[in-house]
Amino acid sequence: GQNIDQPTEMTATEGAIVQINCTYQTSGFNGLFWYQQHAGEAPTFLSYNVLDGLEEKGRFSSFLSRSKGYSYLLLKELQMKDSASYLCAVPGGATNKLIFGTGTLLAVQP
Amino acid sequence: DTEVTQTPKHLVMGMTNKKSLKCEQHMGHRAMYWYKQKAKKPPELMFVYSYEKLSINESVPSRFSPECPNSSLLNLHLHALQPEDSALYLCASSQEGGGAYNEQFFGPGTRLTVL
Repeated sequence: GQNIDQPTEMTATEGAIVQINCTYQTSGFNGLFWYQQHAGEAPTFLSYNVLDGLEEKGRFSSFLSRSKGYSYLLLKELQMKDSASYLCAVPGGATNKLIFGTGTLLAVQP
Repeated sequence: DTEVTQTPKHLVMGMTNKKSLKCEQHMGHRAMYWYKQKAKKPPELMFVYSYEKLSINESVPSRFSPECPNSSLLNLHLHALQPEDSALYLCASSQEGGGAYNEQFFGPGTRLTVL
């Protein structure tokens, strides 16, 4: 089966850097997704990693280690608008099915 | 057009009502999804349609009935719901296939309240 763990909540300061971790156990691996979700809104795609290493996209970077079953999302130069829930997700056993982690609620403070 | 649209945005219904949620995408995606999301929880998958056929039903109660009239439209028919069914209902779509093709595009959701 699949199991995904993330911290429930994190707090960080505007302008700082924050790292949100995700560990997973899956039967087979077909990549890992990160989504951002603001309260009351739809999740929006941030990144997809299938190979080990760091992928950078502006202020956001995502890292994957397949041997450790571990990923993190790195947010730099935090802004107040980055306050949101960050969801780690992996495809399930069948195609088209995404298994979401519990999500990490990030609060950015002035 | 890279958007998934959902109507209505908000819906309040009684336990004896029948209503429908609608979802539409024009990205040529062949997989469409219904999720239910409670406050402070991740989305929970309900149904997956692949090429207009139901491919996954996550043991959802029969008071929720999905329908895919064509490749761009997805409906969720609601009947005899319970107050605990109150939630945000999200529709999503993706290209058919695994890996990066599983990137799902989400609609804004319908906030459902059952009285």
